[in-house]
Amino acid sequence: ETGVTQSPTHLIKTRGQQVTLRCSSQSGHNTVSWYQQALGQGPQFIFQYYREEENGRGNFPPRFSGLQFPNYSSELNVNALELDDSALYLCASSVLRTSDEQYFGPGTRLTVT
Amino acid sequence: AQKITQTQPGMFVQEKEAVTLDCTYDTSDPSYGLFWYKQPSSGEMIFLIYQGSYDQQNATEGRYSLNFQKARKSANLVISASQLGDSAMYFCAMREQASGSARQLTFGSGTQLTVLP
Repeated sequence: ETGVTQSPTHLIKTRGQQVTLRCSSQSGHNTVSWYQQALGQGPQFIFQYYREEENGRGNFPPRFSGLQFPNYSSELNVNALELDDSALYLCASSVLRTSDEQYFGPGTRLTVT
Repeated sequence: AQKITQTQPGMFVQEKEAVTLDCTYDTSDPSYGLFWYKQPSSGEMIFLIYQGSYDQQNATEGRYSLNFQKARKSANLVISASQLGDSAMYFCAMREQASGSARQLTFGSGTQLTVLP
């Protein structure tokens, strides 16, 4: 196990609703990255947070937003959910500029109906 | 253009035999890192092995080795002595230095490996 935890494990939402996913990073890690993995595809980078600020963003619309807290845990918020948002959401923690390795959590499986 | 290409959607291997999973990449950055992750049906991405673009030797981690051919831009994963527990989806990923300060990974589409008893 990596020490990275995510909650909830599974979630079902209706189109148009809002959702918040949570991630606790590994002890000592100051960076959290979020990825979206649609069924049958590789993960796609959403954004990264370093010391409570967004440090980089992939090709995702502004309705995907995030937060990082002083203890380095993080939230991913998605507004106005669409059917295509159904996916496995993975967070990964790391120590920026020290190591390339990212440690992934078990993921949250979101289903939008 | 795809940055990471995995051309084998599915692979089968007999238990105790070796298997090679292919990965080619595309980047213009001189500094980059290549990763392999294993994803069982539970969903968690498990780090297997890392190769830096300036590393002179191929990376090895236990039964995993990375066949790094820089000129061909390939980073194939070799699993020796396959075990039933190796059955999973395998992803190749690349970290590029030019991504600003964010060390994001770009993943391929994956290869589903099935180990046969």
